[in-house]
Amino acid sequence: GAVVSQHPSRVICKSGTSVKIECRSLDFQATTMFWYRQFPKQSLMLMATSNEGSKATYEQGVEKDKFLINHASLTLSTLTVTSAHPEDSSFYICSARDRQTPSYNEQFFGPGTRLTVL
Amino acid sequence: AQSVTQPDIHITVSEGASLELRCNYSYGATPYLFWYVQSPGQGLQLLLKYFSGDTLVQGIKGFEAEFKRSQSSFNLRKPSVHWSDAAEYFCAVGEGQNFVFGPGTRLSVLP
Repeated sequence: GAVVSQHPSRVICKSGTSVKIECRSLDFQATTMFWYRQFPKQSLMLMATSNEGSKATYEQGVEKDKFLINHASLTLSTLTVTSAHPEDSSFYICSARDRQTPSYNEQFFGPGTRLTVL
Repeated sequence: AQSVTQPDIHITVSEGASLELRCNYSYGATPYLFWYVQSPGQGLQLLLKYFSGDTLVQGIKGFEAEFKRSQSSFNLRKPSVHWSDAAEYFCAVGEGQNFVFGPGTRLSVLP
């Protein structure tokens, strides 16, 4: 149980284009999903917290107009990197909390999406 | 401010040797504690977690961790390391809505 998927697993795009990454909770409902970014040889940094049906909360320094997050259902959140540039190249990982066990604060992580902007 | 430290950036051990990866946290109360492993280019795999109860937690792949409140530590151990354990290890702490990762420890295993 508690499986989170991400699609695509790897994407290469040209500078200036937009890229959408999907995060799905496959066997549970997630009222809250999280988006992290991980640069090579570094730890995961939280970008934003996404709550179903409401606007995402972005961490300091993360441009909300560049990283658009939509959490339209209890099983799907999307991250759109708009007008991507080479410095946006990174490993993006989503996670989700199971609404059935909110008290434990456990997050279930997706396999990640490798974004390369040429 | 909440923080998680992993003092060792890189550890090298010989296959079959024992392993201990350190993790310290700074929080006001007892947080929820996690250890994850990440192989190159892969996502995170949960090794074990501590919420309450017995302070010695058993995880997958032969790993265990011990929560020590007095030292604000949650160190990961394995009695005998296998070559396949070479990876990046992250300690993480959850409190309320927040979930903070440590900087990670890279484990190399010598044959």
